[in-house]
Formats: sequence, C-alpha cells, structure tokens
Amino acid sequence: GAVVSQHPSWVICKSGTSVKIECRSLDFQATTMFWYRQFPKQSLMLMATSNEGSKATYEQGVEKDKFLINHASLTLSTLTVTSAHPEDSSFYICSARDESNYGYTFGSGTRLTVV
Amino acid sequence: GENVEQHPSTLSVQEGDSAVIKCTYSDSASNYFPWYKQELGKGPQLIIDIRSNVGEKKDQRIAVTLNKTAKHFSLHITETQPEDSAVYFCAASMGGSYIPTFGRGTSLIVHP
Repeated sequence: GAVVSQHPSWVICKSGTSVKIECRSLDFQATTMFWYRQFPKQSLMLMATSNEGSKATYEQGVEKDKFLINHASLTLSTLTVTSAHPEDSSFYICSARDESNYGYTFGSGTRLTVV
Repeated sequence: GENVEQHPSTLSVQEGDSAVIKCTYSDSASNYFPWYKQELGKGPQLIIDIRSNVGEKKDQRIAVTLNKTAKHFSLHITETQPEDSAVYFCAASMGGSYIPTFGRGTSLIVHP
C-alpha cells in the first residue's frame, strides 16, 4: 500500500531556531500533501494544504510566515517552523493523498520540543 | 462545512469483548468514511474504510457499518486484544479532492 515517510521522528531545538520536517510519498505521486498539528489527547488539526508547484493554502489562524511549506516535487513536501518558541512544541503529522483512490496516508509524525 | 461527531471519547473493555465506536456526520454529500488507528507517538494508520454505495464492510475482526439516511457510521471490533488499545479516529469526506473531516477520537483501552 501507499507509504509516507516523515523525518525526523523527533527533534529538540532551542528557542529562536528553525526546524525543517520532511514528508515523502515513497511509492506514489502526491500533488497534494497536508500538514496537521496534534496536541496531547486531541484530534488532528489541519494546518495547511501543500500543493506541488504552487503556494500552500493555510487554514485560518495558522501563520504562513512561521510555518513555511514547500512542495517542490510530486513526492516531497517540507514544513519549516521558523523562529520556534516553546508554544510551537507539538506533534506534527503530514498526510498525502493517493490520486488513484480516495486514500489519505499519514506519515509517522514528528515530535517537536522547543526548549 | 462538514462536522463529524465521535463517541465515546474513551472506551474501556476486557480482552475478548467487542468494542463499538460511533460517528455522525452532517453533510449528506459526504461519500467516503475512513477509520484510522493511532498508536502512541505514531501517525494515524488507515484500518478500514467504507464508501456510500455499501452499508457494511468487514475485515477479519473489524467491521464498519454505514447508515446514509441517519448519517451515521460505526466501527465494530470483535474479540478485542490488548494490541487493539489505541486512539481511533473516524473521518468523512466527499472524496476526490476534498479533505476529510476528523472526529475527535476515541481512546480504546483493552484490559488483559
């Protein structure tokens, strides 16, 4: 089945630095990928939709200058958390849609801790 | 937009018992209903899905039922095992290019 690889699985960074998270579709092409944020014991909160070759679409309340998304190829999308602060600490998950069916496959998630 | 309600938020069962998680949706145009299992510290994994042209789908110990008229769908897990313990999310979408709307999740705990 469709596989989405997300790296790193966890990262600890200092406040004020930037962190990049990668999301790759391994065996299918994904023109659209999605980035979610998940707080403990809560559901998935959609942050933005990443479109290959064009600008990402951000959900209301998500700062596009803080969460930079790049989708330069049909198999790779990246999320960069810029000037990270402790309140950005969270579990970030990407998802890619397999165009051959309705299926959305999720990555394994990235635990970001900002100290 | 679509609104998905999921109940219960927590479900505790004994090993071997059955578990049922229920979801309702608001948009009658939704036609694709996936269920995801999320283990601690991992991303959600698709375990079963159903499309609006069928009323029930089964895969070994898990099954999903859909009632389009009432706009609700349910996940049934039989003969539960401790490894079934996880958070389960239902979702609804109109398929195609539409992003699924997720329920709030159900934490299933299976006691050995």
